[in-house]
Amino acid sequence: GAGVSQSPSNKVTEKGKDVELRCDPISGHTALYWYRQSLGQGLEFLIYFQGNSAPDKSGLPSDRFSAERTGGSVSTLTIQRTQQEDSAVYLCASSSSVWSTDTQYFGPGTRLTVL
Amino acid sequence: KNEVEQSPQNLTAQEGEFITINCSYSVGISALHWLQQHPGGGIVSLFMLSSGKKKHGRLIATINIQEKHSSLHITASHPRDSAVYICAVRNAGGTSYGKLTFGQGTILTVHP
Repeated sequence: GAGVSQSPSNKVTEKGKDVELRCDPISGHTALYWYRQSLGQGLEFLIYFQGNSAPDKSGLPSDRFSAERTGGSVSTLTIQRTQQEDSAVYLCASSSSVWSTDTQYFGPGTRLTVL
Repeated sequence: KNEVEQSPQNLTAQEGEFITINCSYSVGISALHWLQQHPGGGIVSLFMLSSGKKKHGRLIATINIQEKHSSLHITASHPRDSAVYICAVRNAGGTSYGKLTFGQGTILTVHP
């Protein structure tokens, strides 16, 4: 596609349920990044992929959070046993390569609300 | 202390004014990004800098690596420039290479 796409755009779930958020990067981009923007907070890094590998998972808030990327393209961020503090906008970005001088292109985000 | 500090946090201007937003950082970086986020909108990358100065239309971004400081300037500001401007630094190396660390953002409001 022309840009980074994310689905769903909005997700409302009940506390304790699992959710999956999807990111489709720009075609050909080998680097993919997940960020989170909580209400009233700044952006924070969660994880990034170069190809299918995740060299840095340091931003994942807890072991309830996991992410995978297969085929060097689509990535899924999974949150298990959601908590109210997980409510945020989850943003995905991609770039041609983590080592390139190319900028990162952001998706529109998934707004997650945990009731 | 945050690794990336922006100032001011809020900025109000009249149409036509020259605007400067500042960003200071305390870590080694490979590049610095300036991002724009409109209310309810997505994030757009305005610039990525590793040295010197870049210009795009009415926007100018500069970086001083030695002083660990960057500025974003908007000339002849317009109400459509109203948005949150975010400075983000890209880690210099190791397994964190490519990871962005963000400032808190500057909320800019330009009145007609």
